[in-house]
Amino acid sequence: EAQVTQNPRYLITVTGKKLTVTCSQNMNHEYMSWYRQDPGLGLRQIYYSMNVEVTDKGDVPEGYKVSRKEKRNFPLILESPSPNQTSLYFCASSLDWTGELFFGEGSRLTVL
Amino acid sequence: DAKTTQPTSMDCAEGRAANLPCNHSTISGNEYVYWYRQIHSQGPQYIIHGLKNNETNEMASLIITEDRKSSTLILPHATLRDTAVYYCIVRRRFQGAQKLVFGQGTRLTINP
Repeated sequence: EAQVTQNPRYLITVTGKKLTVTCSQNMNHEYMSWYRQDPGLGLRQIYYSMNVEVTDKGDVPEGYKVSRKEKRNFPLILESPSPNQTSLYFCASSLDWTGELFFGEGSRLTVL
Repeated sequence: DAKTTQPTSMDCAEGRAANLPCNHSTISGNEYVYWYRQIHSQGPQYIIHGLKNNETNEMASLIITEDRKSSTLILPHATLRDTAVYYCIVRRRFQGAQKLVFGQGTRLTINP
């Protein structure tokens, strides 16, 4: 089954404790991206990747890092999480820059 | 990348057609209009996309004005399951920066 898989789905952590949210797709998609969703603010893009080793900033990249060493994986790294990064995070992929986006189920992160 | 403007919320009676407008007055010639919807806090789901011609699929119809500055998503016979937040975005269909702006979308409520 074609899908985008995120892990963990739920996480409660403390300020400053590094964490990684993984994202994996099994559709051989070139384009991948991360979004955060907060009440009243809609979906905001954090980072995106056009292909392996090619990443770029979205609208809200501060406090996040990404890497794209393999085509199927696009992890989101929070080096030193802060409470303002408490949010619902979505990973998405598309075949290339033209295709429809497929979204993961979301990862709800709480930073205390 | 062009920005979009949508009404914050709309209501529609079950069984009637739901018409969701979107303004994208700064759209450029190489940008497509995409529609997604998000039910509760699930990952957004692709609905339809188009460039300048009207499009129809099993889920919805998309009407794009001749000047391409606005579009309307039509759900022909809305059901309670169509209650969701609907997002209109524009996306360039050639290789290059793919920063996507979703905005807050339209919260559509289908009433029995």
